Amino acid sequence: AQTVTQSQPEMSVQEAETVTLSCTYDTSESDYYLFWYKQPPSRQMILVIRQEAYKQQNATENRFSVNFQKAAKSFSLKISDSQLGDAAMYFCAYRSAVKDMRFGAGTRLTVKP
Amino acid sequence: DTEVTQTPKHLVMGMTNKKSLKCEQHMGHRAMYWYKQKAKKPPELMFVYSYEKLSINESVPSRFSPECPNSSLLNLHLHALQPEDSALYLCASSPGLAAYEQYFGPGTRLTVT
Repeated sequence: AQTVTQSQPEMSVQEAETVTLSCTYDTSESDYYLFWYKQPPSRQMILVIRQEAYKQQNATENRFSVNFQKAAKSFSLKISDSQLGDAAMYFCAYRSAVKDMRFGAGTRLTVKP
Repeated sequence: DTEVTQTPKHLVMGMTNKKSLKCEQHMGHRAMYWYKQKAKKPPELMFVYSYEKLSINESVPSRFSPECPNSSLLNLHLHALQPEDSALYLCASSPGLAAYEQYFGPGTRLTVT
């Protein structure tokens, strides 16, 4: 079974600083995709970043980047230059060609001005 | 257009009512999904449609009845719900069933009285 674990229920960061959210997963599959979704209080799930397991290069989207460690089954999200609008619940998710999306429990990020 | 729309935004219904949730996407996606999300929890998959056919039903009670009239529309018909069915109902779409990211709508906040 595929499980996704986010061990940090809550995180806090000062505006303009950097924060890293952790995610680990368990799978026996070799081909899969990993995602980070953001869900602000407005409640819409927004795709932040995606990583294909077959790619060694870590994905980057502007201030968001990941540290993908395939052997360790780790997929952390780094947010640089944090902004007030980054405050949200962040979900790590796993999906493969034969399995539907599996979400972690989420990490609530607070950004302090 | 990368938008998934959902109506209504909010819905309050009694346990004897019949109501429907609507979801629409115009991205040409061939897979559509219904999720249920309780407060401070990750989304839970309910149904998956692929090419307008029901692909997955995650053991959802029969008081929830999905319908996919065409490739752009997804409905969720509700009847004889229980108070514990109160939740945020999210619709999502993806290009196909393979390991693609899913695009979410803003959700319908359902309250069953």
